[in-house]
Amino acid sequence: NAGVTQTPKFQVLKTGQSMTLQCAQDMNHNSMYWYRQDPGMGLRLIYYSASEGTTDKGEVPNGYNVSRLNKREFSLRLESAAPSQTSVYFCATLSGAANTEAFFGQGTRLTVV
Amino acid sequence: AQSVTQPDIHITVSEGASLELRCNYSYGATPYLFWYVQSPGQGLQLLLKYFSGDTLVQGIKGFEAEFKRSQSSFNLRKPSVHWSDAAEYFCAVGAWSDYKLSFGAGTTVTVRA
Repeated sequence: NAGVTQTPKFQVLKTGQSMTLQCAQDMNHNSMYWYRQDPGMGLRLIYYSASEGTTDKGEVPNGYNVSRLNKREFSLRLESAAPSQTSVYFCATLSGAANTEAFFGQGTRLTVV
Repeated sequence: AQSVTQPDIHITVSEGASLELRCNYSYGATPYLFWYVQSPGQGLQLLLKYFSGDTLVQGIKGFEAEFKRSQSSFNLRKPSVHWSDAAEYFCAVGAWSDYKLSFGAGTTVTVRA
């Protein structure tokens, strides 16, 4: 009954370092999303994948890349981390069917120093 | 493109008192509307959703929301607040045609004894 699993839960990076945030879902959903949450700004969409094999930019894609590895997994990569990328990152999934809602992982708290 | 406005950044309410959180949206077609709650350090949990039909929707934890098309609003209400309702609340609008879910900036609710 895992739902949407994000790893790691916490991470501290130095400016310029790279890392990949992992997201896996066992809900057999088609669409997957990466959001960042910052105080007073709600959740902003970074990238999304409407289905396996496709990815598209959201509101704030600069400094990030994504990979939809298969239907279950959607990773977010920071190639050269910057302090402005300090945030809480959430992965979400959506089945694509009508009358449904997005399901969220527990988040990854990233600090870039 | 859709957008969501939550006019109140922070609301303080006494335990047992009623609560209303405001949400206004902008979207060209009939939106899918959601309210999510986030407790400190946690992910997002769906409170309720509106897709079509009855404009008054019931959710979990005693919450309800009313969709008013003429006012482009989807306000969340609870008749009697419990201390455990202290959290951050997010309104969101979905546009499944382009696979995006947009969030408001959130309203933090503090419950005083």
